[in-house]
Parts: sequence; C-alpha cells; structure tokens
Amino acid sequence: ELKVEQNPLFLSMQEGKNYTIYCNYSTTSDRLYWYRQDPGKSLESLFVLLSNGAVKQEGRLMASLDTKARLSTLHITAAVHDLSATYFCAVDTQGGSEKLVFGKGTKLTVNP
Amino acid sequence: DAGVIQSPRHEVTEMGQEVTLRCKPISGHNSLFWYRQTMMRGLELLIYFNNNVPIDDSGMPEDRFSAKMPNASFSTLKIQPSEPRDSAVYFCASSTRGQGKTNEKLFFGSGTQLSVL
Repeated sequence: ELKVEQNPLFLSMQEGKNYTIYCNYSTTSDRLYWYRQDPGKSLESLFVLLSNGAVKQEGRLMASLDTKARLSTLHITAAVHDLSATYFCAVDTQGGSEKLVFGKGTKLTVNP
Repeated sequence: DAGVIQSPRHEVTEMGQEVTLRCKPISGHNSLFWYRQTMMRGLELLIYFNNNVPIDDSGMPEDRFSAKMPNASFSTLKIQPSEPRDSAVYFCASSTRGQGKTNEKLFFGSGTQLSVL
C-alpha cells in the first residue's frame, strides 16, 4: 500500500525566509503532484512532476522530484504572507493508474 | 469552463437521515473521484470512476456509503443512514486520467461541508 508522508505538518516562518517542505513516499512512482489549499477552499494544482530529476518553479515556489530516493521537495524562497496555506503532495500509484494518494498536508503560516 | 461543480456547499442533517451529495465533472474528463477530508485522517479517496464505471471503491468506509455515476456529467455520493462521524468535507474531482495524457492532474470542486448532528 502506497504511503505518503509530509514533513513538517506545521510550519511557521517569517516573511523573507527560505524553507523546504518534504514529501516521502513508500513505493515506486514516477508522478508526483503538489496542491495548495486555502482555509475553507478547494485544492488548487501547483505542480506536476513526471520524471526523475524534474524541477518546476513558479514565483517563490520550486518543486523537485527524486524518484530513486522517493522524495519530493517544495522549496519556498523569501516567503510572503500570501503563501500562507496548506500544501499537499500526492503520488500516483504504480503505472500511472487513476489512484492518487495524498499526504496529510503541511500548514504553512508566514508571519510579517 | 465552470470547473467541477458540487452541491450542496453545506449540508446539516440529523443522524439517521439520508444524505446525497452531487457532482458535475468538467466536460471531457473521463475520470471522477470522491474524496473525504477530515482533520484527523486528511484526504481519503473514497471511490473513483473511469468512463462512468466504478474502478476502485476500497476507500468507501462501509455499506452506508454508495456512489453512482449514471452518465459522464453527473455523479452522486449517498450516505444512508448518516452518522455524526461522517461529518467532513467531501470533495469531488475530475481529470483526463487514463486517456494517455501525461499531465493528468485532478481538478477539485469546492467541496460539500457535511455536518451530521
């Protein structure tokens, strides 16, 4: 059974600082997704990582995937308050089947 | 496109009552997913459909839960009878997964906040 673990689960940081969220998964997969959820809202897709070594960047967020280590990272550069949200990683089960298993999420709070 | 549409947005009901949640996927998407989100358990996949056929319902908690997809543009998730522990946010999502496309991310609806008293 595929398990997806994120850490930390809670992250409080100051504006302007850098930090990394980690996503580990337990079985082989070559597709990983990052989503953002604002309080009381739905999930919004941020990145889709489809191969080993994939790196995607948008604004202050950069995501990478290491399929050999079964690890993805979401790096935050010079955080701003607007980035406060819960971030989820999700992993495809083997073979690109339809099942997407989510981590428990990292609640990020960026303080002024 | 209007995105994935769920109704109702909020549902408050009493224990023992039947609850029906509705979802309209994005036109052209062939896969539909029902997720449940709680603080304790996070996002759990309940069931997913591909081309209107249920593929995996192993996440459905028990027989009180049932889901249908009578056509490509409509799905329901029914709980009968409902219990307080069913209180959660229920999300529907759709995608083009299984159509050989590489960027098969899920598009989520706004969710239904269910409270069972």
